[in-house]
Amino acid sequence: DAGVIQSPRHEVTEMGQEVTLRCKPISGHNSLFWYRQTMMRGLELLIYFNNNVPIDDSGMPEDRFSAKMPNASFSTLKIQPSEPRDSAVYFCASSRASGRASTDTQYFGPGTRLTVL
Amino acid sequence: GESVGLHLPTLSVQEGDNSIINCAYSNSASDYFIWYKQESGKGPQFIIDIRSNMDKRQGQRVTVLLNKTVKHLSLQIAATQPGDSAVYFCAEILAYAGGTSYGKLTFGQGTILTVHP
Repeated sequence: DAGVIQSPRHEVTEMGQEVTLRCKPISGHNSLFWYRQTMMRGLELLIYFNNNVPIDDSGMPEDRFSAKMPNASFSTLKIQPSEPRDSAVYFCASSRASGRASTDTQYFGPGTRLTVL
Repeated sequence: GESVGLHLPTLSVQEGDNSIINCAYSNSASDYFIWYKQESGKGPQFIIDIRSNMDKRQGQRVTVLLNKTVKHLSLQIAATQPGDSAVYFCAEILAYAGGTSYGKLTFGQGTILTVHP
């Protein structure tokens, strides 16, 4: 199994530019999570999808952030326009959870390190 | 709000020693706890989990202890090896998040474990 795949692994962009991060969850997993990790705030959940439907986006910082999951094997996290304070490592994770209160293990991708100049 | 936190940000041990990493949680409603290991440049990796109806669970060289009375969680690593050097996170799952029931992970800040040969 290839695990969760994220691209790009590193992204450097200038303030004001649009950034799109991509994620391919583990095949057969029903839940997908986007996290952001910074030294100051640690790991924070941004948004959670179940069966391609956004369930909880309360962690999305502001309207500049948007996430989509057009099908079971692909999700994007977009930042438009990007700002220096968005610099962080963004992780995608997936689990088999089917939407009920679940403790299915979340498997994390390698992350995308975003630097906004 | 309630959160998961760690007592010690760093821990240095000699190879072969046993390591103990501690974690305090404040939400008495949490019913599932997980330890993750994060190596440099990688995403968090599942180590071991424990449910709130247990007080101890053992894996390969790792043991997790749960003390619900004082809301304390610990990870014990036996015969620590240089490959164990990483950041260790405890995380709790809140079974219900608002009106949506799913396994929402809340991470602690992490402890840096350094193993000296």
